[in-house]
Amino acid sequence: GQNIDQPTEMTATEGAIVQINCTYQTSGFNGLFWYQQHAGEAPTFLSYNVLDGLEEKGRFSSFLSRSKGYSYLLLKELQMKDSASYLCAVRENNQGGKLIFGQGTELSVKP
Amino acid sequence: DGGITQSPKYLFRKEGQNVTLSCEQNLNHDAMYWYRQDPGQGLRLIYYSQIVNDFQKGDIAEGYSVSREKKESFPLTVTSAQKNPTAFYLCASSRRDRGYEQYFGPGTRLTVT
Repeated sequence: GQNIDQPTEMTATEGAIVQINCTYQTSGFNGLFWYQQHAGEAPTFLSYNVLDGLEEKGRFSSFLSRSKGYSYLLLKELQMKDSASYLCAVRENNQGGKLIFGQGTELSVKP
Repeated sequence: DGGITQSPKYLFRKEGQNVTLSCEQNLNHDAMYWYRQDPGQGLRLIYYSQIVNDFQKGDIAEGYSVSREKKESFPLTVTSAQKNPTAFYLCASSRRDRGYEQYFGPGTRLTVT
């Protein structure tokens, strides 16, 4: 079956670094996405990993290990506006663009 | 500017009524999706369509119906058979490169009383 696990909530301090983990079990893997969602708004795309390793994009980085079924999103130099829900989503083989989403991690950034 | 539009942003209906949510995109994307989000939860796939005149059920299709007569449009009907229709509904679209990155519309919050 399909299963994606993320912590439900996390708290961090402005200016700090936070790592949000995602583990997955799928029948066939074909890419992992991270999205950011502010309350009441649409998710916005942050990153995409299909090969093992780290993808860096400004203050945000995402890592993937396919053998471990594991990814993390790293947020550096946290800002108050980073308070949001972070969604991990996996695309399976032979499923076109269909994504399976985790429940999301609610991140609160404190001053 | 290209994008995805959903209307209306807020919708109120009485129990027993069918309601249709609109989703339009001008990104020239082949694939379109409908998700439902409940408080504190992730997105659950209702229906998706990879090409005009074709669509597939997602994980929670019961009580919903869709059509895909045009590439740009993918309306969702919430029927009276849906037991718990009150939710935030999100429409998305994607192309077939860049790993099928999905672009989301602003969402419609449906309240049924």
